[in-house]
Amino acid sequence: GESVGLHLPTLSVQEGDNSIINCAYSNSASDYFIWYKQESGKGPQFIIDIRSNMDKRQGQRVTVLLNKTVKHLSLQIAATQPGDSAVYFCAENRGGATNKLIFGTGTLLAVQP
Amino acid sequence: GAGVSQSPSNKVTEKGKDVELRCDPISGHTALYWYRQSLGQGLEFLIYFQGNSAPDKSGLPSDRFSAERTGGSVSTLTIQRTQQEDSAVYLCASSLQGAPETQYFGPGTRLLVL
Repeated sequence: GESVGLHLPTLSVQEGDNSIINCAYSNSASDYFIWYKQESGKGPQFIIDIRSNMDKRQGQRVTVLLNKTVKHLSLQIAATQPGDSAVYFCAENRGGATNKLIFGTGTLLAVQP
Repeated sequence: GAGVSQSPSNKVTEKGKDVELRCDPISGHTALYWYRQSLGQGLEFLIYFQGNSAPDKSGLPSDRFSAERTGGSVSTLTIQRTQQEDSAVYLCASSLQGAPETQYFGPGTRLLVL
């Protein structure tokens, strides 16, 4: 079936480095994408979103890039900090009548001090 | 409260028993979602309520699962005759309009079926 998947299940980076978390999606009809951060024992926390009519969006220390040609989504975190350590999920909304999000399996980001 | 709240935070039950999980969405949010997260996995959609419309139940895994939303606010997810494979974290989220805009998640209920 169609799904959203992540290339790397675990990413280890040094504090201060930039992090890039990747996500592939298979449904070209998806029109809205979100990145969530989930810390241990907590619910997912919204980070940033992007619509399919955009290819880049920036937030505070985070940037999301969308490449519709290859159905690829990435989250870039600048100057990664220990507090960024968490599982990161991408999610897609396929539009239409349903507003449910389809989540990927997640990438664990481990920031080494 | 400012965020989505869920209760209980943890629930241990015996196989075959029924459980009820509660979600209090953010005040004024018309849309409410239930998801299930198994250990080390992503979130699996269960059910979606939007205003007075019929809920989208397409994600419920079996007829042992049901959910209600009373008065357009609080929601209860009920699992009847629990099985060990029901063990997971059950997450509730709400959003303002029900469009795929930002969904705000609660802390979840960790269910363990022995």
